[in-house]
Amino acid sequence: DAGVIQSPRHEVTEMGQEVTLRCKPISGHNSLFWYRQTMMRGLELLIYFNNNVPIDDSGMPEDRFSAKMPNASFSTLKIQPSEPRDSAVYFCASAYTGTYTDTQYFGPGTRLTVL
Amino acid sequence: KNQVEQSPQSLIILEGKNCTLQCNYTVSPFSNLRWYKQDTGRGPVSLTIMTFSENTKSNGRYTATLDADTKQSSLHITASQLSDSASYICVVSEKKSSGDKLTFGTGTRLAVRP
Repeated sequence: DAGVIQSPRHEVTEMGQEVTLRCKPISGHNSLFWYRQTMMRGLELLIYFNNNVPIDDSGMPEDRFSAKMPNASFSTLKIQPSEPRDSAVYFCASAYTGTYTDTQYFGPGTRLTVL
Repeated sequence: KNQVEQSPQSLIILEGKNCTLQCNYTVSPFSNLRWYKQDTGRGPVSLTIMTFSENTKSNGRYTATLDADTKQSSLHITASQLSDSASYICVVSEKKSSGDKLTFGTGTRLAVRP
């Protein structure tokens, strides 16, 4: 299995631009998680989908952030407009079932730099 | 406010030595606790997941302990190897009716020297 696939791996953009991060979960997994990691705040859960439905989006920082999962094999995290404080590594993870006790498999991350 | 505190923040040990990382939490009600290993530039990898009734769980040279009464967990690494150099993150789940809520520690950065 290829594991969780994220693209792009690196993104550099200017403040105010729209940024779209992409994730392909492991085939057969029905839960998908988006995380953000910074040196200051560590790892933070942004949103969690189960069977393509957003279950918990309480970690989404503000309205500039939105996430979608149109089907079981694809999800996007969009930031519009982007700000320098959004600079971080964004991870996508997937799990087999909808419970947090299941092992989550993380992708390699997207390193976002907003200038 | 739920918190997860890890210590030490960073640690340097010699190859072959053992070490223990600590995780104290205030999350309640408790659902489960996980330890992740994160290599530089990569996503975290799950080492162990422990529920309330589990005191000890091993994964190769990694052994996690949980004391739900004192709300403490430790990760013991035996006979360390250079490849153990990484950040180790403790994550505690709060049991909620709408689904568990995760609280993350900021990690312990371990460096194993030859």
